[in-house]
Amino acid sequence: GQQVQQSPASLVLQEGENAELQCNFSTSLNSMQWFYQRPGGSLVSLFYNPSGTKHSGRLTSTTVIKERRSSLHISSSQTTDSGTYLCALEGGSAKLIFGEGTKLTVSS
Amino acid sequence: GPKVLQIPSHQIIDMGQMVTLNCDPVSNHLYFYWYKQILGQQMEFLVNFYNGKVMEKSKLFKDQFSVERPDGSYFTLKIQPTALEDSAVYFCASSGGQENTLYFGAGTRLSVL
Repeated sequence: GQQVQQSPASLVLQEGENAELQCNFSTSLNSMQWFYQRPGGSLVSLFYNPSGTKHSGRLTSTTVIKERRSSLHISSSQTTDSGTYLCALEGGSAKLIFGEGTKLTVSS
Repeated sequence: GPKVLQIPSHQIIDMGQMVTLNCDPVSNHLYFYWYKQILGQQMEFLVNFYNGKVMEKSKLFKDQFSVERPDGSYFTLKIQPTALEDSAVYFCASSGGQENTLYFGAGTRLSVL
């Protein structure tokens, strides 16, 4: 089965609402990375977060290894946050395994 | 931040032709990767490359695929011959910095007709 599972698959918000995106993994973890994929396709690295909590502006990432999960919290969402959010796991073989992504739509 | 450049951004070719996708990785990085993403689908690992050699490849990395980085120049993905199912966006990535974060290029959209 899928080693990295993301939920929800899609999420629609009104501007100003918060979003909580989940990533669950079934294999051992060396590192976890969160990416934002723009509608045009290019990837932006948001967090490198193998464990614990990291903050960047309105974004917060929390990885709990023993629970095999990582989350991405977006506070006060904006229309420009729309796009696909991908989590990716590196399990010790120097390659990232991606989840299927959460497609976020923020409307004004 | 660090940038990975991919050339060209879009390539259209006829089935059976050869294509080379070029990647200019971050200058001090040591590990290089190719990923494939069919429109609307998951990003999938193809191959990683270190010290002049392929470290690992997935079953998507068919015999028609090859990678190289001659003399520290572009890291390339060559497909010869191409097939219709090779149509996808191919992303190059590199790593080797402090946190081993992967940095991705903007992708090359390959259309095989």
